[in-house]
Amino acid sequence: DAGVTQSPTHLIKTRGQQVTLRCSPKSGHDTVSWYQQALGQGPQFIFQYYEEEERQRGNFPDRFSGHQFPNYSSELNVNALLLGDSALYLCASSSDRLYYEQYFGPGTRLTVT
Amino acid sequence: DAKTTQPPSMDCAEGRAANLPCNHSTISGNEYVYWYRQIHSQGPQYIIHGLKNNETNEMASLIITEDRKSSTLILPHATLRDTAVYYCIVRVSYNQGGKLIFGQGTELSVKP
Repeated sequence: DAGVTQSPTHLIKTRGQQVTLRCSPKSGHDTVSWYQQALGQGPQFIFQYYEEEERQRGNFPDRFSGHQFPNYSSELNVNALLLGDSALYLCASSSDRLYYEQYFGPGTRLTVT
Repeated sequence: DAKTTQPPSMDCAEGRAANLPCNHSTISGNEYVYWYRQIHSQGPQYIIHGLKNNETNEMASLIITEDRKSSTLILPHATLRDTAVYYCIVRVSYNQGGKLIFGQGTELSVKP
C-alpha cells in the first residue's frame, strides 16, 4: 500500500501565477482533505472533498479551489499567487465510514517569489 | 481557532516515559481528543484518540481526566525517533465534516 502520495514534492512559482497540486489517497479511502502549513505553524484546514463535492471549507479565499475525481484523487488549485501562499501543502485521506483517522501525505513545498 | 493549549516544548531522556499534557477546557460532550505528531519535513501521523475513557495502542496511551478538560499523552519508553512536534486536537463532530484544527503543538526533544 503506497499510502497517500502527493506531487510535486517541491515547486517554485512567481507571484501572480497559478499552481496545481495533486494528491492520491490511500487505497480504500474516499475522502480527501487539504491543509496549508506555514513555517513554524500547525496545519490549517483548507477544504475537504467527498463524492467529488466540496463538503467543508476553512477560512481561505476563493483563490483556493479544488477538485476530486471519480478515482478519489484530488487537486488543489491556487490562483493569483501571493508571497504569503508559500507553505507546505498537505493532503490527508480518510474513509468516510472510518472518518476518525486521517492519513497525511508528505506534502508539497510551495515557494512563491 | 484551536481549542487546545499545550506547552511549546518539552525534553525527555531516552528510555524514559514522555508525558505530554493538553488542556481543552471548552470541549463539548461529543468531541473527541486526538493526538498527531509531525516529524520534521513529514506529514502529520495519527497516534491515538479517545472520548472519555483511557486508551492504549502500540504507540502510546491517552489519559483523559474525568471532567474531560485535560488529557495526557504518554509515550512509555521514548526513543530518539520520537523527537517530533505533538499536536493535541479536539475534533469537531462528524456532521461538521470532521476537520482537524491544529494548534501550535509541543515540540518534544528526546535526548540520549
